[in-house]
Amino acid sequence: GQNIDQPTEMTATEGAIVQINCTYQTSGFNGLFWYQQHAGEAPTFLSYNVLDGLEEKGRFSSFLSRSKGYSYLLLKELQMKDSASYLCAVSDSNYQLIWGAGTKLIIKP
Amino acid sequence: NAGVTQTPKFRVLKTGQSMTLLCAQDMNHEYMYWYRQDPGMGLRLIHYSVGEGTTAKGEVPDGYNVSRLKKQNFLLGLESAAPSQTSVYFCASSLDSGASQPQHFGDGTRLSIL
Repeated sequence: GQNIDQPTEMTATEGAIVQINCTYQTSGFNGLFWYQQHAGEAPTFLSYNVLDGLEEKGRFSSFLSRSKGYSYLLLKELQMKDSASYLCAVSDSNYQLIWGAGTKLIIKP
Repeated sequence: NAGVTQTPKFRVLKTGQSMTLLCAQDMNHEYMYWYRQDPGMGLRLIHYSVGEGTTAKGEVPDGYNVSRLKKQNFLLGLESAAPSQTSVYFCASSLDSGASQPQHFGDGTRLSIL
């Protein structure tokens, strides 16, 4: 079967750095997406990785290791507005997105 | 630029009733999707469409039907609502199925079946 694993919840302090991990087992791989979803709102696209390595986009970075079936999202200089759920999704061999259950990130002052 | 618009935003139904959820996108996207989101679970694909006049089943299609008569609209129908269909429904669209193309989501429809 296909499976995406993420921690259910994480807590971090304003101004700090947090790393949200995602491991996957899918039938085929055509890239990995990270989305942000504030409570009661729609998911919004953050990043896409298809090659191994780190992609940096402002305060957010995303890393991929295809051989390990592993990705992480790194959030720096945390702000209160970063409190949200972070969803990991893998595009499988049919280009269908397989979604993790999401990681709820709580930011404390 | 409206993006993806879903109507209604909230709805309460009784078991056995039927209803249609409407999704409209103004980005000229070919692909459209219907997902449901339940607590503790990832988004699950119900049905999708690769272009006007086409539809296909996703992971959890039972109890739902869809139509894509116009490129910009994708309708999701519940034939006979059941309490297990209580969920938040999201519509999404993407330019094509290319691996790097992100999906753009509507604000969701919160549906309760009593």
